[in-house]
Amino acid sequence: DSGVTQTPKHLITATGQRVTLRCSPRSGDLSVYWYQQSLDQGLQFLIQYYNGEERAKGNILERFSAQQFPDLHSELNLSSLELGDSALYFCASSVSGRSPLHFGNGTRLTVT
Amino acid sequence: KNEVEQSPQNLTAQEGEFITINCSYSVGISALHWLQQHPGGGIVSLFMLSSGKKKHGRLIATINIQEKHSSLHITASHPRDSAVYICAVSSNSNSGYALNFGKGTSLLVTP
Repeated sequence: DSGVTQTPKHLITATGQRVTLRCSPRSGDLSVYWYQQSLDQGLQFLIQYYNGEERAKGNILERFSAQQFPDLHSELNLSSLELGDSALYFCASSVSGRSPLHFGNGTRLTVT
Repeated sequence: KNEVEQSPQNLTAQEGEFITINCSYSVGISALHWLQQHPGGGIVSLFMLSSGKKKHGRLIATINIQEKHSSLHITASHPRDSAVYICAVSSNSNSGYALNFGKGTSLLVTP
């Protein structure tokens, strides 16, 4: 058990809808990272938050947004969903950029 | 963007064999990571390297900064090593885990 909790495990929704993925980091970890894994693109870094503030941005679409709350949990919001957004979304956490990275089990999003 | 290439794409080995997975990248990095993704989808971070060599149990990771190349070795392979092994690099000194990923090497170890 990595200590990183992601909910829900599975999500099935229709095109055009909006969903929220939730991540609770390991106790004590200030950084939260979101990654997307799709069949055609593989793993991609989306965004990082550190202690409530955005630290780095990757290949995150404008339809996607994220935030980290004072209790350090993070949410990834995906809107105007398209079929191509179907993927596994991983959250990971670490104390710092040089300490071990711990992954959650992922949320599998299916857009129909 | 830092291009990360892994080889081979797929690898089948018999139990007990010595396995090598290679990773090359295109531009300077702050660190290189090896990850393991289990058949169920979970990801585990195996190594973070910025120079030299690291060992953990039967796993050894090396990096050659000048050649922009890293290898992951598995000694005395076992069926439980069957997984996808992913190389990733960080070029962002402000964010250690803003990673560029390789496409992964799918390893199957047969008894």
